Amino acid sequence: QKEVEQDPGPLSVPEGAIVSLNCTYSNSAFQYFMWYRQYSRKGPELLMYTYSSGNKEDGRFTAQVDKSSKYISLFIRDSQPSDSATYLCAIKSWGKLQFGAGTQVVVTP
Amino acid sequence: DTAVSQTPKYLVTQMGNDKSIKCEQNLGHDTMYWYKQDSKKFLKIMFSYNNKELIINETVPNRFSPKSPDKAHLNLHINSLELGDSAVYFCASSQVVGGETQYFGPGTRLLVL
Repeated sequence: QKEVEQDPGPLSVPEGAIVSLNCTYSNSAFQYFMWYRQYSRKGPELLMYTYSSGNKEDGRFTAQVDKSSKYISLFIRDSQPSDSATYLCAIKSWGKLQFGAGTQVVVTP
Repeated sequence: DTAVSQTPKYLVTQMGNDKSIKCEQNLGHDTMYWYKQDSKKFLKIMFSYNNKELIINETVPNRFSPKSPDKAHLNLHINSLELGDSAVYFCASSQVVGGETQYFGPGTRLLVL
């Protein structure tokens, strides 16, 4: 079993909709949770990270962690075509990052 | 100014050949990594170096040999290339080992024929 599970999508939404992305993880000891965004043919870039349960907001992006369910989420409000990318969740485990498979998001105008 | 750069961007080669990928970071970070991303976009760590010393070596065939001549450079040499080595290889760096904020290079797309 992978340490981080993520639905690969693709997820297609109309412009302005809320995008909801999820990951589950296996080990309740994990403390640090990240979301990376990867545009086509580019390297991933850090979007947000959090180390506690609850919500963290940054502009149109909200990261949510539910440690009791071992569930992490990313919400994108008022989605734009420029948000079209692959979103990878990651957890910090034993001094390294373990990534989910990535969810491809397509925002159509 | 590019933070993490890799060369070459594309590499097409025959099975059995040996090839190298170079990486440089100008962020002053102590830790550098090599990741492999397969065709399904799954990103997996291969190696991690801190201050030129190998910290993490995942279950990677011996044909892959990283080398860090100094803190700003981490190269990857691959011997006897196989079809299954076809992937995108990313170099990354962070301030501390296993840092949450990692800066990735643009990737090297390797195709083995």
